Amino acid sequence: EVQLVESGGGLVQPGGSLRLSCAASGFTFRNNWMTWVRQAPGRGLEFVDIIDQDDSRESNVDSMQGRFTISRDNSKSSLYLQMDSLRAEDTAIYYCARILLTTSSTWVFDSWGQGTLVTVSS
Amino acid sequence: DIQMTQSPSSLYASVGDRVTITCRASQSISDFLNWYQQRPGKAPNVLIYAASSLQSGVPSRISGRGSGTDFTLTISSLQPEDFATYYCQQTYSTPWTFGQGTRVEIK
Repeated sequence: EVQLVESGGGLVQPGGSLRLSCAASGFTFRNNWMTWVRQAPGRGLEFVDIIDQDDSRESNVDSMQGRFTISRDNSKSSLYLQMDSLRAEDTAIYYCARILLTTSSTWVFDSWGQGTLVTVSS
Repeated sequence: DIQMTQSPSSLYASVGDRVTITCRASQSISDFLNWYQQRPGKAPNVLIYAASSLQSGVPSRISGRGSGTDFTLTISSLQPEDFATYYCQQTYSTPWTFGQGTRVEIK
């Protein structure tokens, strides 16, 4: 059974940093692209970043570029999100998810963790 | 960035109703379109991938159609467990954007 467990969330002051982790099990982690998605309180889903098996990132999200860095450690089956220069608007639940390449050659987020809450406030 | 627009933003329906949600992309995305369901307090889970392929374990009353810029998610006979929020997502080009969501509520 695929399991994704996020950790590292909490309360941080504006301008501060936080590092989120996602521990993966139940599948061969090094074979999959992975992603972070966030959801502000009462709001919709927002794509954060993706990373491929070879540690290549593909963000292109203007509001987070240069502040958030996705990384992975295949030896530990773990995904990370380093968040710097945090702002109040970064307050959200952060989910990690596995990316599956489908039989139709498209991509889908097929398994999700339960999320970790990040609150940016003074 | 590709903008994904869902309609309606919310709807009220009864058990047994047929419900259709629409998702429109700001440019053609071929069939790189997924649908997710999110129940309150829970993580999202995938229902449909590649516009019309049913994810394993998802009931057959749920279906997806479309290609290019216009897509639909249909629930043929709404069940109590279907009252949730639904999101479309494109994975044609990064950032892989989501629609704003459609909340399905009990009438």
